[in-house]
Amino acid sequence: EAGVAQSPRYKIIEKRQSVAFWCNPISGHATLYWYQQILGQGPKLLIQFQNNGVVDDSQLPKDRFSAERLKGVDSTLKIQPAKLEDSAVYLCASSPGGEAFFGQGTRLTVV
Amino acid sequence: GEDVEQSLFLSVREGDSSVINCTYTDSSSTYLYWYKQEPGAGLQLLTYIFSNMDMKQDQRLTVLLNKKDKHLSLRIADTQTGDSAIYFCAEKKTGFQKLVFGTGTRLLVSP
Repeated sequence: EAGVAQSPRYKIIEKRQSVAFWCNPISGHATLYWYQQILGQGPKLLIQFQNNGVVDDSQLPKDRFSAERLKGVDSTLKIQPAKLEDSAVYLCASSPGGEAFFGQGTRLTVV
Repeated sequence: GEDVEQSLFLSVREGDSSVINCTYTDSSSTYLYWYKQEPGAGLQLLTYIFSNMDMKQDQRLTVLLNKKDKHLSLRIADTQTGDSAIYFCAEKKTGFQKLVFGTGTRLLVSP
């Protein structure tokens, strides 16, 4: 079974630029999560989708972050404009209801 | 409290047992997980326990769950240097199945 795929693996941008991350979850998984993991900290949930609907985005900085899940499958997370403090690893995970499986993450560096 | 809490650091010698502890927040959480994260890598699901169980054993791993105290532990028997990593506990909350992570415990195994 293919795992959760994320791209790009690494991204370096200047502050105030825009960036987008892509996630392809495991086929058939209804739940998709985006997490932000700052160095030395645990993952923080940004947004959770159930199929193509948002069920939790309480910690998403909506003035600069946006996410969508097209047709309940792939998802993109966008930051516009980026700030220095957005430097982190962005993790995508999917779940059929029990276990949650993570992708390798996208490491974002904002300079 | 609102946060899933873990001790920051644990150091053991190779061959000893390691016990990593976690206090979670929601007594109604359905699933509780242990993930392993090696440097520069994503989160690897090690094991999980359903909330109606109080123990689960999987080869060298033993998970103990105390629902009354909202306490979860992971015991690694015969700890090896390859077990050195950061270990995160996570709870899947009731309702919309929000997955919340702890702060992580860095395990260092010395020869």
